[in-house]
Amino acid sequence: DGGITQSPKYLFRKEGQNVTLSCEQNLNHDAMYWYRQDPGQGLRLIYYSQIVNDFQKGDIAEGYSVSREKKESFPLTVTSAQKNPTAFYLCASSMWDSESYGYTFGSGTRLTVV
Amino acid sequence: DQQVKQNSPSLSVQEGRISILNCDYTNSMFDYFLWYKKYPAEGPTFLISISSIKDKNEDGRFTVFLNKSAKHLSLHIVPSQPGDSAVYFCAASVSGGSNYKLTFGKGTLLTVNP
Repeated sequence: DGGITQSPKYLFRKEGQNVTLSCEQNLNHDAMYWYRQDPGQGLRLIYYSQIVNDFQKGDIAEGYSVSREKKESFPLTVTSAQKNPTAFYLCASSMWDSESYGYTFGSGTRLTVV
Repeated sequence: DQQVKQNSPSLSVQEGRISILNCDYTNSMFDYFLWYKKYPAEGPTFLISISSIKDKNEDGRFTVFLNKSAKHLSLHIVPSQPGDSAVYFCAASVSGGSNYKLTFGKGTLLTVNP
């Protein structure tokens, strides 16, 4: 079954530590994205990548970093510079063609800073 | 500047009745619109979409209406079922754009009461 996998589902981090969230897809999608969901804020774009070895900042990139060394993988690092890292993080991928547009989302990672 | 707005944070309806969720957008370049459904602690799943060349798209109990002049779209669910209780996100994109990005609203929590 093709899909997009995020791990872990729950993650706890101490203040001042960096942490990396995993996102893997076997859908052969070109583009991948990271969103953050906070109560009452909807989905806000952190970073996105349209192709291997290339990525762009989204609306709230400060305090985050990404890499795209493989088409299947788009890990997100939450650095100690991110002031409010506690949130629900969603990874998505997409294939855009003449017949369909849209994202496939992973099941999310809940990050809590303790 | 919020380009996609869902002005109702929540909506409550009785089972069997119609649910109408609304979405407004400000960017006149948007020409493709999608609705996603999200349960707590899960990733959003695609529900239905509409291109700006249409004013209505139907899929089973779900119908999306687009009013381009008013920059408004709505999702109708008939009849509503308790399993429809979830957060619904409206999203928009420029289909010919090069960045493949979706812009999301903040979501509307739908509660269908038995």
